[in-house]
Amino acid sequence: GAVVSQHPSRVICKSGTSVKIECRSLDFQATTMFWYRQFPKQSLMLMATSNEGSKATYEQGVEKDKFLINHASLTLSTLTVTSAHPEDSSFYICSARSEGLTNRSPLHFGNGTRLTVT
Amino acid sequence: SQQGEEDPQALSIQEGENATMNCSYKTSINNLQWYRQNSGRGLVHLILIRSNEREKHSGRLRVTLDTSKKSSSLLITASRAADTASYFCATDAGAGRRALTFGSGTRLQVQP
Repeated sequence: GAVVSQHPSRVICKSGTSVKIECRSLDFQATTMFWYRQFPKQSLMLMATSNEGSKATYEQGVEKDKFLINHASLTLSTLTVTSAHPEDSSFYICSARSEGLTNRSPLHFGNGTRLTVT
Repeated sequence: SQQGEEDPQALSIQEGENATMNCSYKTSINNLQWYRQNSGRGLVHLILIRSNEREKHSGRLRVTLDTSKKSSSLLITASRAADTASYFCATDAGAGRRALTFGSGTRLQVQP
């Protein structure tokens, strides 16, 4: 089945530093990937849609200069949390849908990245 | 914005019992999907039901969809301790918007 690899799985950084999270589709191509954020015991909130070869589409309230998304190839999207602050601490999850299927196909998720900003 | 609401928020049952989780949503959908999430992990797709379907089965899972009430239910029969996880419904509105909108989730605890 389709596999999405996300790393790192866990990262601790100091306030003011930047953190890059990678999301790779291992056995399929994905022109579109989705980045979600999840707070403890809460649901997933869509942050942005990553589009290969073009700018990401951000959801309302998500700072695009804070959360930089790059989708340079059909199998890789990266999310960079710039100048991280403790309130950015969260669980970030990427997902992708296998191309060639209709929008009735399920999303494949990475295992998430637990970011802790101290 | 969060569309789906699920109830109960938390559910604790004994092994062998059935677990029922409900999901309501607000907008028109193309399909509705259920996902499972183990603590601190990504989501795993369980089952997808299309807007023109009313019921679907997969192993011990049964999903219903009532588009007139904008609601869905997930039934897990003969639960096992390994079913302990959070369960989320997610709606696919189609129409070019391909991201899923997730419900608030139900935390299921199955006591051995």
